Amino acid sequence: KAGVTQTPRYLIKTRGQQVTLSCSPISGHRSVSWYQQTPGQGLQFLFEYFSETQRNKGNFPGRFSGRQFSNSRSEMNVSTLELGDSALYLCASSDGTGAHEQYFGPGTRLTVT
Amino acid sequence: QQPVQSPQAVILREGEDAVINCSSSKALYSVHWYRQKHGEAPVFLMILLKGGEQKGHEKISASFNEKKQQSSLYLTASQLSYSGTYFCGTGLRDSGYALNFGKGTSLLVTP
Repeated sequence: KAGVTQTPRYLIKTRGQQVTLSCSPISGHRSVSWYQQTPGQGLQFLFEYFSETQRNKGNFPGRFSGRQFSNSRSEMNVSTLELGDSALYLCASSDGTGAHEQYFGPGTRLTVT
Repeated sequence: QQPVQSPQAVILREGEDAVINCSSSKALYSVHWYRQKHGEAPVFLMILLKGGEQKGHEKISASFNEKKQQSSLYLTASQLSYSGTYFCGTGLRDSGYALNFGKGTSLLVTP
């Protein structure tokens, strides 16, 4: 099976712009979770989508949003970028029907200048 | 809701043992352990479920104290390949199985 893919891998944006990140889960997986990773805070949960519905949301401002399509691919959008949004954004896919292991993608490195 | 991991960092010689702890202030349904090597994505190690069920790698063991909301990861006879950052993720039943991860424990195994 192909692993989780994320595009783009690297991104440089200017403060105030918006950005869209994409995640394609492992075939057959219906759950996609998004995480923000920074050196000081570790892995912070953004949101989880299951069968096109947001099932859970972390403690991030409304500038962070996401969606999931019928093929389980997911996108994450960040509007009005701030310097503090610079981070590695990871998505993870899982079966989603229980406490199953998550498979992480390689991440998108976002730099906001 | 972020679980607390300890220690923050540990350095071992090859062959030594280590224990990494994870604690939560909330009642847990599951505890997940992942290892991340520098520049790579986190990789699944183990899941411990309320009620005693476990699944994961044979060479890694862990415990889950449901009453104390604590979990420990045991790394025995460490190898150089064990180096990396270890994250525990805690799952709450009423949160759709979403995981909240700790800040990580950096483990370095030296020859």
